[in-house]
Amino acid sequence: DADVTQTPRNRITKTGKRIMLECSQTKGHDRMYWYRQDPGLGLRLIYYSFDVKDINKGEISDGYSVSRQAQAKFSLSLESAIPNQTALYFCATSDLAGDGQPQHFGDGTRLSIL
Amino acid sequence: AQSVTQLGSHVSVSEGALVLLRCNYSSSVPPYLFWYVQYPNQGLQLLLKYTSAATLVKGINGFEAEFKKSETSFHLTKPSAHMSDAAEYFCAVSGQTGANNLFFGTGTRLTVIP
Repeated sequence: DADVTQTPRNRITKTGKRIMLECSQTKGHDRMYWYRQDPGLGLRLIYYSFDVKDINKGEISDGYSVSRQAQAKFSLSLESAIPNQTALYFCATSDLAGDGQPQHFGDGTRLSIL
Repeated sequence: AQSVTQLGSHVSVSEGALVLLRCNYSSSVPPYLFWYVQYPNQGLQLLLKYTSAATLVKGINGFEAEFKKSETSFHLTKPSAHMSDAAEYFCAVSGQTGANNLFFGTGTRLTVIP
């Protein structure tokens, strides 16, 4: 089984709908992250969390919200989806132990908003 | 602040030829540097990381990278390309800030020609 699991893997929805992307991990890591990937732009950080009570905005948080339900679960919500949120979304985790820890990624959710 | 520039969004090499993917970084604090690889329909997989130990870092699948502070570079190389190396490669930087946030380059797509 994958260490970082994202659901759904693919989602097509309409403008204005509320969408939730879910991420769960079995790595026991405290830190969790949400990124979006767009062609030619690389990955950009949306939100990150260092523990259940700690949520921080990333580079591009507008239009998104997150919830850290447990150490192992971190969900990303689009309250009212718009077409320019069409992208590939990744969840990642890292160990709390010091700087320089690599991040471990899920396989992504491909989201299309019509 | 940290940032990464990857020169060349597409690189093509012949099978058996040298692979060289370029990455230059900017960081206001001593950096940690990473190379990730992304195969189609998958998440990012860590190839190697530099965390201020040896400047020449060896990774998986025969890849290595050299940290050159004077050139602010962390180029990725492999002596002999295999068909299985065809993928997208991302360079990323984080700093000794306690946040462990990664800043990604825009990626380089490697094509291997038989």
